Amino acid sequence: QIQLVQSGAEVKKPGASVKVSCKASNYTSAKYGISWVRQAPGQGLEWMGWTSAHNGNTKYAQKFQGRLTMTTDTSTGTSYMELRSLRSDDTAIYYCARDPGGLGTSAGMMDYWGQGTLVAVSS
Amino acid sequence: EIVMTQSPATLSASPGERATLSCRASQTISTNLAWYQQRLGQAPRLLIYDASTRATGIPDRFSGSGSGTEFTLTISSLQSEDSAVYYCQQYNNWPPWTFGQGAKVEIK
Repeated sequence: QIQLVQSGAEVKKPGASVKVSCKASNYTSAKYGISWVRQAPGQGLEWMGWTSAHNGNTKYAQKFQGRLTMTTDTSTGTSYMELRSLRSDDTAIYYCARDPGGLGTSAGMMDYWGQGTLVAVSS
Repeated sequence: EIVMTQSPATLSASPGERATLSCRASQTISTNLAWYQQRLGQAPRLLIYDASTRATGIPDRFSGSGSGTEFTLTISSLQSEDSAVYYCQQYNNWPPWTFGQGAKVEIK
């Protein structure tokens, strides 16, 4: 079955960067996009951005512009989310999720999700 | 940015009862709406997309309806495993795609 497997938990200091990976399996990952969604402790879901594995297109939420980068290595089917200049309020579980829109477009919904990666930011 | 508002915040019902959750968009989104279920400690799961289409493997007790700004998720006969937080999400205008704040379903 389709799976997205994310990298392990991270502990970072304020001002540092984190890079979370998301490896896709059992589907042709180069055809689809990946969205990243985060969830702060006890809070709801927040969409961060989307990247197309097909052509590298990206869309980011305005609040993350300038410190967020999403990329995909099509040779390994692995997508990456890098967030820089971390603050304590970036502490959250970060999820990758497949966007079933094909060939460089976003369908909008997220049909398969990774298990989540906890990123804790603390001095 | 489109704001999604869900109600009620918490719904408590007995097994076998019907549960109805609402989601309102701050502007029209046609039928570009998804519903997700998130059980405690788990990742979200897609239930419904395009406002009323069940995702693969979703039981038919889950149904969605609505268009424009008003949407509903109905669970026709609650099961114990339906205890979760439910989120609506619009994908009509971006960035960003936006989620509602979530609605918790408790089984008595």
